[in-house]
Amino acid sequence: QSALTQPRSVSGSPGQSVTISCTGTSSDVGGYNYVSWYQQHPGKAPKLMIYDVGKRPSGVPDRFSGSKSANTASLTISGLQAEDEADYYCYSYGVSNYWLFGGGTKLTVL
Amino acid sequence: QVQLQESGPGLVKPSETLSLTCTVSGGSINNYFWTWIRQPPGKGLEWIGFIYSSGSTNYNPSLKSRVTISVDTSKNQFSLKLNSVTTTDTAVYYCARYSSPPYFLDYWGQGTVVTVSS
Repeated sequence: QSALTQPRSVSGSPGQSVTISCTGTSSDVGGYNYVSWYQQHPGKAPKLMIYDVGKRPSGVPDRFSGSKSANTASLTISGLQAEDEADYYCYSYGVSNYWLFGGGTKLTVL
Repeated sequence: QVQLQESGPGLVKPSETLSLTCTVSGGSINNYFWTWIRQPPGKGLEWIGFIYSSGSTNYNPSLKSRVTISVDTSKNQFSLKLNSVTTTDTAVYYCARYSSPPYFLDYWGQGTVVTVSS
């Protein structure tokens, strides 16, 4: 199985919105509603931001939202803040009981 | 609050076996799925495999021939062994817990750096 496809980098100014895509196949992203998103700051462990495509854990700001269409999931961050600058990874369950990460997207807040 | 802590040698020689243990505190290891994930320097996350508290496992096909994940419920620990390592196995290794039902990762260890070098 290949890694899920994410853009290498995205950027936006404070207050703007950005969307990060995560493209897989019908055997993973498209086949199940088990996509989650993780934020990783340098030198830190990843942190869960979105699960089950579009649900937010308690404590995660509602500026973060997730969605899915066919084989592509998306993470949208609205009202960008400086502390949102980080790497973001999608993660999906796949057929045959395996899991896949996306290649990661570096978000730069200009 | 569940906490996970990785432990093991930070330096492993090429062709030898990398061995790490994840100790779970603040909660039971029973009735959950647990996983190992790694991140080479400057690169993305890679799923290595998972284990259920009963001992059932599944591994990343790209690593399957070299990986063994085991669990010791009496110690609230699970472990990773990766044999025949090369420099490409140099990475930060994380252990993490799957939610229940097991569809996302809700708790992570802080990660441990393992360098493969002679």
